[in-house]
Amino acid sequence: EVQLVESGGDLVQPGGSLRLSCAASGFIFSNYWMDWVRQAPGRGLVWVSRINSDGSTTDYADSVKGRFTISRDNAKNTLYLQMNSLRAEDTAVYYCAKAGAGLDYWGQGTLVTVSS
Amino acid sequence: DIVMTQSPDSLAVSLGERATINCKSSQSVLYSSNNKNYLAWYQQKPGQPPKLLIYWASTRQSGVPDRFSGGGSGTDFTLTVSSLQAEDVAVYYCQQYYSRPYTFGQGTKLEIK
Repeated sequence: EVQLVESGGDLVQPGGSLRLSCAASGFIFSNYWMDWVRQAPGRGLVWVSRINSDGSTTDYADSVKGRFTISRDNAKNTLYLQMNSLRAEDTAVYYCAKAGAGLDYWGQGTLVTVSS
Repeated sequence: DIVMTQSPDSLAVSLGERATINCKSSQSVLYSSNNKNYLAWYQQKPGQPPKLLIYWASTRQSGVPDRFSGGGSGTDFTLTVSSLQAEDVAVYYCQQYYSRPYTFGQGTKLEIK
């Protein structure tokens, strides 16, 4: 059974940093591209970032480019999102998702709140 | 960026009746080399992550009931629930995965009339 479990969400002050993790199991993690998608409270889904299977290629939404860094450790079956220079508008539930044709498996999400 | 626009924003349908949600992309998401539409549909129930229903615009994900169907090509797509059940109450999103950023529609809230 495919499982994706996010962690690392917290309350952080504007300008602060946070690292999210996503532990994967139930599939060959190193074979698949992975995404981060976020959802602000009461709002819709917004794609944030993507990484290819070996970590050599990454992509970001313009709103986070230069502030967020996606990475992965295939030996640990774990996806990461390093978030720096956080802003109030980054407040959201962050989901990791397995990318195929569409995003076929999603974690339960982790809440990031940026507030003073 | 490709803008995805869903209509309507909300929809109330009687149990057992048909529900149709529309999704329009600002440019074609049909890749000519493989004749595939890079369009997916998701269902999100309150307090839950999204769930993939349809990919390649019309291919049902494993385990998804056959009352859900996707159609369309190019820039205009539909998600149809042929006979609405109580458990189908949710917000539905389309997403293009043709080009980055992989944009979602704003969502359509489906309710029981």
